[in-house]
Amino acid sequence: GDSVTQMEGPVTLSEEAFLTINCTYTATGYPSLFWYVQYPGEGLQLLLKATKADDKGSNKGFEATYRKETTSFHLEKGSVQVSDSAVYFCALSERRRNAGNMLTFGGGTRLMVKP
Amino acid sequence: DGGITQSPKYLFRKEGQNVTLSCEQNLNHDAMYWYRQDPGQGLRLIYYSQIVNDFQKGDIAEGYSVSREKKESFPLTVTSAQKNPTAFYLCASNVAGFDNEQFFGPGTRLTVL
Repeated sequence: GDSVTQMEGPVTLSEEAFLTINCTYTATGYPSLFWYVQYPGEGLQLLLKATKADDKGSNKGFEATYRKETTSFHLEKGSVQVSDSAVYFCALSERRRNAGNMLTFGGGTRLMVKP
Repeated sequence: DGGITQSPKYLFRKEGQNVTLSCEQNLNHDAMYWYRQDPGQGLRLIYYSQIVNDFQKGDIAEGYSVSREKKESFPLTVTSAQKNPTAFYLCASNVAGFDNEQFFGPGTRLTVL
């Protein structure tokens, strides 16, 4: 079945440091890929997405490129801020027969940014 | 404003009681979902519904039940058969489609006393 693997956290960085959160996936077809962010005590918000190979999703300074050859979708940001402290989830969506598009989530990576 | 509301935000339950978590959306989405999140873990799918009056079990449906009598509402009942119900519950919805994002509610934190 489909699966998503993320690097374990927490990831602790100083403000203005470079961020990479690794994400790799296993899927039988050609999934769409997503990054969601969860702030403490809240639901998930979509951060960015990519729907086909070599697409780059970007939002709020975050970027991720859909790499089919390495089955990866690593999240990057050039200069993190304290306000970026949150849990980040990588997810894939693949159409399932009679079930529409279902999301499979990674385990989440907690990011802590220190001033 | 369009969005998803969940209530209550915090819920306490005694062992042996059934409790119902509310999820309402005014986004006109066909599909709705319930997830469970445990501390430090990802999301696991409990139930989902693609259309009114139809729903399917997800990966961890045992001890839970749902109904979908209206397009905008998808309540989740945590029954006494759920052995470890303390968790954070998230409801989501989307337009049915391959790459359409899911929109999430703010969540309900359930604690069994």
